Amino acid sequence: SQTIHQWPATLVQPVGSPLSLECTVEGTSNPNLYWYRQAAGRGLQLLFYSVGIGQISSEVPQNLSASRPQDRQFILSSKKLLLSDSGFYLCAWSVDGGATYEQYFGPGTRLTVT
Amino acid sequence: AQKVTQAQTEISVVEKEDVTLDCVYETRDTTYYLFWYKQPPSGELVFLIRRNSFDEQNEISGRYSWNFQKSTSSFNFTITASQVVDSAVYFCALSEAGSYIPTFGRGTSLIVHP
Repeated sequence: SQTIHQWPATLVQPVGSPLSLECTVEGTSNPNLYWYRQAAGRGLQLLFYSVGIGQISSEVPQNLSASRPQDRQFILSSKKLLLSDSGFYLCAWSVDGGATYEQYFGPGTRLTVT
Repeated sequence: AQKVTQAQTEISVVEKEDVTLDCVYETRDTTYYLFWYKQPPSGELVFLIRRNSFDEQNEISGRYSWNFQKSTSSFNFTITASQVVDSAVYFCALSEAGSYIPTFGRGTSLIVHP
């Protein structure tokens, strides 16, 4: 069966510090991968998605970046965090085949920038 | 462009009441997919159901049921005999065929009181 791991679960970082969040998927090949952010108020904001190794599409211009160094690994990074980067970050995967298929989400990382 | 509207921001019910969560969508495609997800207080979104645009059959799974009506562009979700464990934020989502990006509604927070 497929599982998705995301870490860390919680993170408190000062403004201006770097960020690295990691997501890995097990039990599937060539998944579509997604990073979402959920600020207070519940809405899901798609940040990045990837349909293959090295292929990253950005949905929102900001100081975050994403990379996919391996088929089932998706990393969200920042060189310098802003207060506005605080939120709940969710990684998700879906079967290769566009958005036809449902997404499966990781447990999330709650990031507080102080 | 695709759009999903969940007009109910928050619903509060007492245990054992039936509750319906509304979802109205907009799309120009004839082939599309609709989803419901549950986000309990722990934060991880859980996939509940996927329905394609060619299948208007209603779905029932235990206390959960879904009513898909293309004529009104709606995909409503009903919980029968609600329980405290049903308390969560519920998201409706839409994907158009060939797109990698689903569109999520803003979610409906369901609070079930004992």
